[in-house]
Amino acid sequence: NAGVTQTPKFQVLKTGQSMTLQCAQDMNHEYMSWYRQDPGMGLRLIHYSVGAGITDQGEVPNGYNVSRSTTEDFPLRLLSAAPSQTSVYFCASSSSGTGERYYFGPGTRLTVT
Amino acid sequence: QQPVQSPQAVILREGEDAVINCSSSKALYSVHWYRQKHGEAPVFLMILLKGGEQKGHEKISASFNEKKQQSSLYLTASQLSYSGTYFCGTPSGAGSYQLTFGKGTKLSVIP
Repeated sequence: NAGVTQTPKFQVLKTGQSMTLQCAQDMNHEYMSWYRQDPGMGLRLIHYSVGAGITDQGEVPNGYNVSRSTTEDFPLRLLSAAPSQTSVYFCASSSSGTGERYYFGPGTRLTVT
Repeated sequence: QQPVQSPQAVILREGEDAVINCSSSKALYSVHWYRQKHGEAPVFLMILLKGGEQKGHEKISASFNEKKQQSSLYLTASQLSYSGTYFCGTPSGAGSYQLTFGKGTKLSVIP
């Protein structure tokens, strides 16, 4: 049981490039979410999903895209990277949203130059 | 809206106690607590639910005051391993799937 996995661990992008951050969980959780963490800002919700085919925006969705074609996977796409997207990105899953504990992945540290 | 945590930072000697507070401007339906060590992912500590149910860490206690829209995390007889940043998270509303986190409280335990 691997829990929540994220790839890559580190990534450097140039402004304007696109990329996909991968997130997968093997706990059959319906609920998955993406957060970004910046110094002094805590964790801010980007997008979330309550099941395959269902996604919605969090508080900081601009510049990011998501899809959920399977229960296991929830990739985050950066459409045209900007320096403001330099951050640490965490994926999390839960069996039933905010009523149960969140399991966080190890994170992806992204730098946009 | 982000819950507000206090204090922002605290330094303790081993064996001392600490209280970390989390306040919301909106009604609270549940409160999550997580601890994050430097360079690592947040780790679950506890959930407190409306009605008094608690789920989580056996060695950590917390309170949940629905009327005051506050929660407090109590760390007693602190150990070096308690060092890290503590985050509380609250749902955006009743039945919401959005968990909003505070900015964190950095706890340092020194020998």
